[in-house]
Amino acid sequence: ELQLLETGGGLIQPGGSLRLSCVASGFTVNSNYMTWVRQAPGKGLEWLSVIYAGGNTYYADSVKGRFTISRDNSKNTLFLQMNNLRVEDTAVYYCARGLSYSYAFGYWGQGTLVTVSS
Amino acid sequence: SYVLTQPPSVSVAPGQTARIFCGGNNIGGRSVNWYQQKPGQAPVLVVYDDSDRPSGIPERLSGSNSGDTATLTIRRVEAGDEADYYCQVWDSSTDHPGVFGGGTKLTVL
Repeated sequence: ELQLLETGGGLIQPGGSLRLSCVASGFTVNSNYMTWVRQAPGKGLEWLSVIYAGGNTYYADSVKGRFTISRDNSKNTLFLQMNNLRVEDTAVYYCARGLSYSYAFGYWGQGTLVTVSS
Repeated sequence: SYVLTQPPSVSVAPGQTARIFCGGNNIGGRSVNWYQQKPGQAPVLVVYDDSDRPSGIPERLSGSNSGDTATLTIRRVEAGDEADYYCQVWDSSTDHPGVFGGGTKLTVL
């Protein structure tokens, strides 16, 4: 069974850094594109970043230059390094895997909450 | 960047048909995906590539896409369909390809 489990969320002060992890099971993280999506409290879904199977990465303008997506194939884990965090980065962060044959996010983790506050 | 527009809310009585629209410039030329999200839960893909359903999604949910509007149709609405619904496209021509609509809250009266 394909599963994703995010960890690493918590309370962090503005300007701080945090690294989120997304451990995959049932597939390998480098076999398909994987993405991060967030949802601020009471708001909609916001796409953040993608890493393709070939390694190319892309970011939303709101996080470009501050967030970095990466993966560790040996640990079968996806990461999101978040630097210079802002209050508006407060959200539940989800990792998701695309379908093998479509640019749809077919598999999601349960999410991890990041709270940026002083 | 590409923009998807959804109505904030749709209300429908049980047993009726709900239609949730997603507007975008020539969206008919793109593949549209739909997600259902219930409170406190992660989103679930319910329609991909305009009109295909993942396994386990009932046939009551269907999608279509033409012109400037994509539509998620839910027939014979049940109380359990009450949720937020998001449309999404992948704009491979840009360096920020992921795009979500703002979401529509479906209320079952």
